[in-house]
Amino acid sequence: AQSVSQHNHHVILSEAASLELGCNYSYGGTVNLFWYVQYPGQHLQLLLKYFSGDPLVKGIKGFEAEFIKSKFSFNLRKPSVQWSDTAEYFCAVNAVNTGFQKLVFGTGTRLLVSP
Amino acid sequence: GAGVSQSPSNKVTEKGKDVELRCDPISGHTALYWYRQSLGQGLEFLIYFQGNSAPDKSGLPSDRFSAERTGGSVSTLTIQRTQQEDSAVYLCASNPDRETGELFFGEGSRLTVL
Repeated sequence: AQSVSQHNHHVILSEAASLELGCNYSYGGTVNLFWYVQYPGQHLQLLLKYFSGDPLVKGIKGFEAEFIKSKFSFNLRKPSVQWSDTAEYFCAVNAVNTGFQKLVFGTGTRLLVSP
Repeated sequence: GAGVSQSPSNKVTEKGKDVELRCDPISGHTALYWYRQSLGQGLEFLIYFQGNSAPDKSGLPSDRFSAERTGGSVSTLTIQRTQQEDSAVYLCASNPDRETGELFFGEGSRLTVL
């Protein structure tokens, strides 16, 4: 069964700092990969996704993620964070062609951006 | 509706009582999921529906938990004889295409068991 590891549970940054959140998954087959974000008091929403093609994926609000198949990783990056990026970020993986789909989530990373 | 709707948004109950949580998915979405979000635990998969059938119930924590979906639409998650460890936010999500894995989440139902 697939699993997802997010090694950073809490990250604190100052505005304009660069961000990289780690995500590793375990599954040997073809996967779809996602980053979801949950802003304070709001529901989970999709930040970006990778299905196939260019392994560098760009999402909303200046976020991007790179799929490195050899490392089973899908790290999230942003060159310069803003206070409004304060949120909890979840990486998720879906194993393709397993008969049904189930999105498996990591435990999340809480990001606090100080002004 | 425009999004996934869940009710109640908050539920406080006494240990041992039964609770029902409702999810109304986005119209036309055939797949429906229940997840549980506990502090420090991330999102825990509970059950998945494709239409009215549940191909994967593997995440239900115990036989006190059950779920059904009727008419390919509304789903109800029932927790019998609630325990304090059931306290969490229960999230529902729907998906229009079983192959893509992109989920649309509701606001969640926060359950507190006293």
